[in-house]
Amino acid sequence: EVQLVESGGGSVQPGGSLRLSCGASGFTFSGHWMHWVRQAPGKGLVWVSRIKNDGSTILYADSVRGRFTISRDNAKNTLYLQMNSLRAEDTAVYYCVRDGVGRGHDLDYWGQGTLVSVSS
Amino acid sequence: QSALTQPASVSGSPGHSITISCTGTSSDVGADHYVSWYQQHPGKAPKLIIYDFSDRPSGVSNRFSGSKSGNTASLIISGLQSEDEADYYCSSYTTNSIIFGGGTKLSVL
Repeated sequence: EVQLVESGGGSVQPGGSLRLSCGASGFTFSGHWMHWVRQAPGKGLVWVSRIKNDGSTILYADSVRGRFTISRDNAKNTLYLQMNSLRAEDTAVYYCVRDGVGRGHDLDYWGQGTLVSVSS
Repeated sequence: QSALTQPASVSGSPGHSITISCTGTSSDVGADHYVSWYQQHPGKAPKLIIYDFSDRPSGVSNRFSGSKSGNTASLIISGLQSEDEADYYCSSYTTNSIIFGGGTKLSVL
């Protein structure tokens, strides 16, 4: 059974940092691109970042580029998101998501999400 | 990274069918960039229900189907049931990003 378990969320002041982790199990982690997607309270889904299965290609949404860093450790089956210079508008549930087997970027498995709250 | 356009809400009666549209541009949906659909119940993570415009993951009811015409993809839910009441999101991609629609709240009246 595919499982994605996020951790590391919490409350932080503006300008602060957090590191999210996502432990993967039940599939060959090194064989899949991975994503972070976020959802502000009461709002829609917003893509944040993507990393290729071997870590060689990384993309970011304009809103986080230069502040967030995605990475992965295939030996530990773990995905990370380092978030620096956090802003109030970064407040959201952050989901770790697997890129699926379709021909497009279908997101076939989602973690339960971890809440990041940025406020003073 | 413009979002795809979905209606904010749709409603239907049990047993009936509804369609949710997802309109993009010639840079995403219109360029045959595959569209996926997700169902999200309150407080839960999204669930993939349609990928590659019209394919269903294993275990997803065949009451859910998808199509595409021009710059618009559509999700069709037939035989509406109370448990279908949820938020629905479409997504596609451009060269540099994944893009989502704003979401559609489905009410089963």
